[in-house]
Amino acid sequence: TQLLEQSPQFLSIQEGENLTVYCNSSSVFSSLQWYRQEPGEGPVLLVTVVTGGEVKKLKRLTFQFGDARKDSSLHITAAQPGDTGLYLCAGLTTDSWGKFQFGAGTQVVVTP
Amino acid sequence: DTGVSQDPRHKITKRGQNVTFRCDPISEHNRLYWYRQTLGQGPEFLTYFQNEAQLEKSRLLSDRFSAERPKGSFSTLEIQRTEQGDSAMYLCASSPGTGGRQPQHFGDGTRLSIL
Repeated sequence: TQLLEQSPQFLSIQEGENLTVYCNSSSVFSSLQWYRQEPGEGPVLLVTVVTGGEVKKLKRLTFQFGDARKDSSLHITAAQPGDTGLYLCAGLTTDSWGKFQFGAGTQVVVTP
Repeated sequence: DTGVSQDPRHKITKRGQNVTFRCDPISEHNRLYWYRQTLGQGPEFLTYFQNEAQLEKSRLLSDRFSAERPKGSFSTLEIQRTEQGDSAMYLCASSPGTGGRQPQHFGDGTRLSIL
């Protein structure tokens, strides 16, 4: 059983549409990171959130950390084909100094 | 900043053989992590180092797995007596310090295939 549940597992949309992916847990996290991974490459960090209720924006990407620090969401506005990839969330639980737990990821495909 | 480097990128070996992977982190990054990723899954934590000290190991890291970071710079991950289930991508990441705010910089992994 994964500590972090990501949904949906797969998302296929047309260019220009909006999308939201979710990362949920019953555990509290001291920080949560979002990564994007492309085939044959390692994950690349997009953002780190640490404060409950925090919202961060990165161009067309909006990240939100839940008030209770148990869940997070990633919203992409006007998706582009370059947004295609595996989106992963990774959480650091409050009882760990360095062990990040990853979700299984959401595979996003944006078609022109 | 040359990024995290992993070697080899691909390894094919027969069941029962030993394999060793190397990770060169970003210079002066004192945290180094090893993860394993299988198809359709996110990375699974294996172990991490703070400088040369191995601070935590996953239960996934059986007796056949060992990791070292002898001088607090590069690290090696060895798998002895490989099994079919060891086939996966092995990822290394480094970060500049402690704490949950620190970004992890990943290498592109070593893909292990067991025949």
